[in-house]
Amino acid sequence: DTGVSQNPRHKITKRGQNVTFRCDPISEHNRLYWYRQTLGQGPEFLTYFQNEAQLEKSRLLSDRFSAERPKGSFSTLEIQRTEQGDSAMYLCASSLALSGRDGYTFGSGTRLTVV
Amino acid sequence: KQEVTQIPAALSVPEGENLVLNCSFTDSAIYNLQWFRQDPGKGLTSLLLIQSSQREQTSGRLNASLDKSSGRSTLYIAASQPGDSATYLCAVPYSGNTPLVFGKGTRLSVIA
Repeated sequence: DTGVSQNPRHKITKRGQNVTFRCDPISEHNRLYWYRQTLGQGPEFLTYFQNEAQLEKSRLLSDRFSAERPKGSFSTLEIQRTEQGDSAMYLCASSLALSGRDGYTFGSGTRLTVV
Repeated sequence: KQEVTQIPAALSVPEGENLVLNCSFTDSAIYNLQWFRQDPGKGLTSLLLIQSSQREQTSGRLNASLDKSSGRSTLYIAASQPGDSATYLCAVPYSGNTPLVFGKGTRLSVIA
């Protein structure tokens, strides 16, 4: 296993377009998390899954944001009708939640630029 | 609501110095605390994970301590090198076993 994989690495899109990012977690990890990071800030939590169940989505930034993890493996994060304020690094992480004492492994992120 | 503060925001030191990065959090009901490193434009690399029952963890030149009762952690870097230049982030769960909350990080520059 090569760790958490995110695609694409970079995405430039025009305002108003929809974009979708993919995250492949470490295969034995049952939890998957999405974060957003803007310049000079720490990562901001968006949503997470345990297997295919989305356990928290109230922190998704607006109803333009949605995430899926259909078979409990990879996940996608979609942003509809992108705005310039959506420009950021989108990070995915995974963990093995057995006792709650697991650490997170992050991917390299997807850098989104909305022009 | 869990809040994480990291001090200082930025630090510049000459090569070879020992240094300490500070992290404080408001809710002490945590399962663990994790320190990460982030290079510019890159993802996060996990450095150390300290469980709530532990006082410290060591990895090479890095040592992290945890004082849960006072809501504080420190990351000690010994004999700093230019390759240590990066942003260091501290993170704890909201409470118990919930998603991580991050500080804004400390941007470290080690000058050769």
